[in-house]
Amino acid sequence: SQKIEQNSEALNIQEGKTATLTCNYTNYSPAYLQWYRQDPGRGPVFLLLIRENEKEKRKERLKVTFDTTLKQSLFHITASQPADSATYLCAPPRGRGSTLGRLYFGRGTQLTVWP
Amino acid sequence: EPEVTQTPSHQVTQMGQEVILRCVPISNHLYFYWYRQILGQKVEFLVSFYNNEISEKSEIFDDQFSVERPDGSNFTLKIRSTKLEDSAMYFCASADRGGETQYFGPGTRLLVL
Repeated sequence: SQKIEQNSEALNIQEGKTATLTCNYTNYSPAYLQWYRQDPGRGPVFLLLIRENEKEKRKERLKVTFDTTLKQSLFHITASQPADSATYLCAPPRGRGSTLGRLYFGRGTQLTVWP
Repeated sequence: EPEVTQTPSHQVTQMGQEVILRCVPISNHLYFYWYRQILGQKVEFLVSFYNNEISEKSEIFDDQFSVERPDGSNFTLKIRSTKLEDSAMYFCASADRGGETQYFGPGTRLLVL
């Protein structure tokens, strides 16, 4: 069955450093993958979508890569700030060719940026 | 910026009671979803809804659950006879014509006693 793994449950970094979060998936090949941010007690907030034919996508201080050979996506936050502290979720769709499909969420990585 | 809204924000109910969770998706969106998140666990898919019918449902979405879009703007999730294990945060989401990016509401925290 399809499986989503995020590199660690928690990542602690100092303000100003780059945070790198990893998402690995197995047993399928999604056509795209999304990253969401979730704050405690709140709904996931969409950040970025990257397609299989895009190696990299950027939005302000965020960068996502998608390596279909390694079955891995990396999510980077440059010049991190304490306000970036949250749980970050990797979410590919159920399968290829379906725009109606459920999203599979990983457990998420809880990022803490300390001053 | 348009957003998905959900009511109520919190709901406490007794086991065996019926609850209805309400959502107002983003107005021009065509695809609608319910997810849930038990405290400390992953966000889990429950059901997707398109063109006035369920398009996909998970194994969690059994006969106790139903969804409806009664009036073209609201999207509801009904749990007929709540169980203790239904206690969770329930999120509604919607997606536009492209159907890829799903935008989530703030959630309803359901507590079944």
